Amino acid sequence: KAGVTQTPRYLIKTRGQQVTLSCSPISGHRSVSWYQQTPGQGLQFLFEYFSETQRNKGNFPGRFSGRQFSNSRSEMNVSTLELGDSALYLCASSPGQARLEQYFGPGTRLTVT
Amino acid sequence: KNEVEQSPQNLTAQEGEFITINCSYSVGISALHWLQQHPGGGIVSLFMLSSGKKKHGRLIATINIQEKHSSLHITASHPRDSAVYICAVRSWQTSGSRLTFGEGTQLTVNP
Repeated sequence: KAGVTQTPRYLIKTRGQQVTLSCSPISGHRSVSWYQQTPGQGLQFLFEYFSETQRNKGNFPGRFSGRQFSNSRSEMNVSTLELGDSALYLCASSPGQARLEQYFGPGTRLTVT
Repeated sequence: KNEVEQSPQNLTAQEGEFITINCSYSVGISALHWLQQHPGGGIVSLFMLSSGKKKHGRLIATINIQEKHSSLHITASHPRDSAVYICAVRSWQTSGSRLTFGEGTQLTVNP
């Protein structure tokens, strides 16, 4: 099976712009989680989706949003970008809520200038 | 105090040495994950455990639920084991479950 894919892999944006990142989970996996990794804060949980429903959300401002489609693909959006949003954004998929092994994608490295 | 604490933060070893990385947590958990991150960012899940011990090749992970402590051991370490090792715990809240991560342990194995 193909692994988790994320697009784009690298992205440079300007403050105030918005960005959409995409994650395609492993075939058959219904749960997708998103994480932000920065040098200062480490890895932090953003959201978790299961069957198109957001199951949980981390402590991030409302500028961070996401969704999941019927084919389990997920997108996250960050509006009004700030310099502090520069980070590696990782998504992970798992088979379902009862099976929580996390399979991580390669990440999208976002740089905000 | 962070909910998940790892030690040491940095570890340098010689090839062949036995390595232990520790993780302590302060919340009730349903599972604990050990992750490996290589330069460039890719993360690989090494273990997910909720009790006892698991072994995969030269890697062994143990967890003591009563003491809220887990260890990752690497036997006969090799330079290719050089990476950041991250402990993460899955805890349940009224809003759902989430992973909370430790700060990671940077391991360097010299030949």
